[in-house]
Amino acid sequence: AQKITQTQPGMFVQEKEAVTLDCTYDTSDQSYGLFWYKQPSSGEMIFLIYQGSYDEQNATEGRYSLNFQKARKSANLVISASQLGDSAMYFCAMRRTGNQFYFGTGTSLTVIP
Amino acid sequence: NAGVTQTPKFRILKIGQSMTLQCTQDMNHNYMYWYRQDPGMGLKLIYYSVGAGITDKGEVPNGYNVSRSTTEDFPLRLELAAPSQTSVYFCASSQLTPAGSMGQYFGPGTRLTVT
Repeated sequence: AQKITQTQPGMFVQEKEAVTLDCTYDTSDQSYGLFWYKQPSSGEMIFLIYQGSYDEQNATEGRYSLNFQKARKSANLVISASQLGDSAMYFCAMRRTGNQFYFGTGTSLTVIP
Repeated sequence: NAGVTQTPKFRILKIGQSMTLQCTQDMNHNYMYWYRQDPGMGLKLIYYSVGAGITDKGEVPNGYNVSRSTTEDFPLRLELAAPSQTSVYFCASSQLTPAGSMGQYFGPGTRLTVT
């Protein structure tokens, strides 16, 4: 079964500090993609960052970076210099061969001033 | 450029009623998706389409139907609404690049309650 696991239901971080949100995945596919999305309290889903299974370097997008450890099947999101506007739900997702997507249950991040 | 639009935003259905959730994208994306998000959970894929005339089941397709007659539109049909279909429904679109790097653009969601 294809599966995404996010083990941290809730996380707190001090403003301006860095935080790591964990994600592990399970797939037998050789080619797959890993994504992180942000869902603020307003409800919309916002794409943050992508990592392909064949990419050798970790993806970065501004303050977001993806710590990809293929052998451990983990794809953790690192947010540097946290801001109050980063408070939201964060979802890890996997695109497997055939373009099906699977989402984790999410991590609620609260940034403390 | 409106992106992905969904109608309606909210709907209350009685058990056994039918309805169609509308989804339109103006980005000329080939791929379109329907998800449901239950309270406190992640998104589950209901159906997806890789182009006009082509649809396929996702993880939770039972009780739903879709069609894709144009690139822009991807309606989701509930035939006999059940309380288990109470959820927030998201439509999304994407265009797969050779690098596979394009994330999905999501609509604002439809909050459906079946009573």
